[in-house]
Amino acid sequence: GIQVEQSPPDLILQEGANSTLRCNFSDSVNNLQWFHQNPWGQLINLFYIPSGTKQNGRLSATTVATERYSLLYISSSQTTDSGVYFCAVLSNSGYALNFGKGTSLLVTP
Amino acid sequence: GAVVSQHPSRVICKSGTSVKIECRSLDFQATTMFWYRQFPKQSLMLMATSNEGSKATYEQGVEKDKFLINHASLTLSTLTVTSAHPEDSSFYICSARRPLGTGSNQPQHFGDGTRLSIL
Repeated sequence: GIQVEQSPPDLILQEGANSTLRCNFSDSVNNLQWFHQNPWGQLINLFYIPSGTKQNGRLSATTVATERYSLLYISSSQTTDSGVYFCAVLSNSGYALNFGKGTSLLVTP
Repeated sequence: GAVVSQHPSRVICKSGTSVKIECRSLDFQATTMFWYRQFPKQSLMLMATSNEGSKATYEQGVEKDKFLINHASLTLSTLTVTSAHPEDSSFYICSARRPLGTGSNQPQHFGDGTRLSIL
């Protein structure tokens, strides 16, 4: 099946810093989503972005489908941004999202 | 607001008990729903695909007799962990996607998950 690699696996930031999370995938995709999993386990859908660029407040995402990667940008990070960020993709031949291993982000005051 | 509702959010029970988890799509009909499992500090792994009116499709290594899936209506899928044991303790999350006919490829929406602890 399709492989999804996220980097970095762990990230510690001071409040106010910016960061870029990367997601590489091994095959063409119909769907790509970025999620934030909070400490209670809830998956918060950040972006549905199989291609192109989207922005939502301090967050933005870009997917370059032809080069098989996606980037999630977090600007002016806040302590509430802490948690695990997952990239998940649906391949052209698949039927359910496949998740990467996630990036664990800790934002310190 | 939430488009997929999952209940219960937390279950603690004794070994040998069977536990049923419900997943509902709130404002659309979902012919297909998905069940994932997440162990601590790990990613989400697809367990099975729930198909309305037919048998579920299980991923390799998932015991279909242990994890019974029923998708009897277009808005409800249930996962029953039968005779649960401590190693079944995990975080179970369901998801659903609006039918493709409603537009271009649709995102998957996730429930809030069920944390299962078997003593």
